[in-house]
Amino acid sequence: DAGVIQSPRHEVTEMGQEVTLRCKPISGHNSLFWYRQTMMRGLELLIYFNNNVPIDDSGMPEDRFSAKMPNASFSTLKIQPSEPRDSAVYFCASSLGLSPETQYFGPGTRLLVL
Amino acid sequence: QKEVEQNSGPLSVPEGAIASLNCTYSDRGSQSFFWYRQYSGKSPELIMFIYSNGDKEDGRFTAQLNKASQYVSLLIRDSQPSDSATYLCAVGDVTGGGNKLTFGTGTQLKVEL
Repeated sequence: DAGVIQSPRHEVTEMGQEVTLRCKPISGHNSLFWYRQTMMRGLELLIYFNNNVPIDDSGMPEDRFSAKMPNASFSTLKIQPSEPRDSAVYFCASSLGLSPETQYFGPGTRLLVL
Repeated sequence: QKEVEQNSGPLSVPEGAIASLNCTYSDRGSQSFFWYRQYSGKSPELIMFIYSNGDKEDGRFTAQLNKASQYVSLLIRDSQPSDSATYLCAVGDVTGGGNKLTFGTGTQLKVEL
């Protein structure tokens, strides 16, 4: 079975540009999580969805970040406008329900904002 | 702000030795605890979880939890070079109807030949 799929795997953009990260969860999983990982702050939860509904977005750093989950098999994380401090690895994870024991991470998107 | 603290390392152990990784957490009400392994350039993968005080063993891995001391540890017996990775401690929060994880910044483990 395919795991969590993320695209693109690498993204280099210039400050001020819009960035869209995409995620396809594992089939049958009904919870989806977006994380950001940096050397300084480690792995941080940005937002998570259950049954396509956002449950907790308290980790979203500011209004420049937005996330959507239009259906059970697709989610996006958008940054507009992007800034150099947004450079990080962004992971998407999915799970069956909200149980962390079933949470699997995607390969991540490495974002560099120049 | 809930916090999870880990020593960043690196922790160096010889092959075959026991590696001991430690984690403390600030929220006394926390109920679930997880250890993830992350190889360089890869995504985290869950290796152990523990909910009750005491020890939980799975193969070469043992998770230990002491809620009174707000301390959780991971022991790796017979350490192998393939165990060299960063180990992330995470604490679950079930408030608000969800189950979100707060991660520590990780401890880098190096197993030397």
